[in-house]
Amino acid sequence: ETGVTQTPRHLVMGMTNKKSLKCEQHLGHNAMYWYKQSAKKPLELMFVYNFKEQTENNSVPSRFSPECPNSSHLFLHLHTLQPEDSALYLCASSQDDAGYGYTFGSGTRLTVV
Amino acid sequence: LAKTTQPISMDSYEGQEVNITCSHNNIATNDYITWYQQFPSQGPRFIIQGYKTKVTNEVASLFIPADRKSSTLSLPRVSLSDTAVYYCLVGDLTGNTGKLIFGQGTTLQVKP
Repeated sequence: ETGVTQTPRHLVMGMTNKKSLKCEQHLGHNAMYWYKQSAKKPLELMFVYNFKEQTENNSVPSRFSPECPNSSHLFLHLHTLQPEDSALYLCASSQDDAGYGYTFGSGTRLTVV
Repeated sequence: LAKTTQPISMDSYEGQEVNITCSHNNIATNDYITWYQQFPSQGPRFIIQGYKTKVTNEVASLFIPADRKSSTLSLPRVSLSDTAVYYCLVGDLTGNTGKLIFGQGTTLQVKP
């Protein structure tokens, strides 16, 4: 357990489904991130939140919708996904968004069928 | 953000010392060098971070020459459980420019 908890660990969804990924941290960090890791590819930064405010959207398609209700929780709402969106989705947190001392969760393995 | 170059893969045997070198020719004055380890289907885990010279912790050592254009992660006496992908990242840790951008990493395979 790293201090960043992601649920569910595995998710299979159809292209017409709507689902949400959840991330929770109790490390007292102020910044939270979503990364996507496709097979045999580097991690891709998707979204950055600092003190609940979105500070970066790395040209992510609108079928991915993040939500950060407080500094401890981060969600990724999914709808109308494509099979190529199948990947490991990783949440991370840090003290601020300066990139120092990231703590990652174990990820959600998403399969879109 | 400074671009990094590291070997795609490395093989080693149990008990050996492993050194993974990362090149970052365009490193800026404010940039720090950070290494992460990632096991399959898990998130990356922070290993070590440094700015210059040598840093050592209970897991690894990080050697940074004076020109800071490269760095070497040293893993002493590796075991099978050290088989993982190792990422070298370089970035400014101040302000809003320190986003962690991951490259391909080095896949280390430790053999018995």
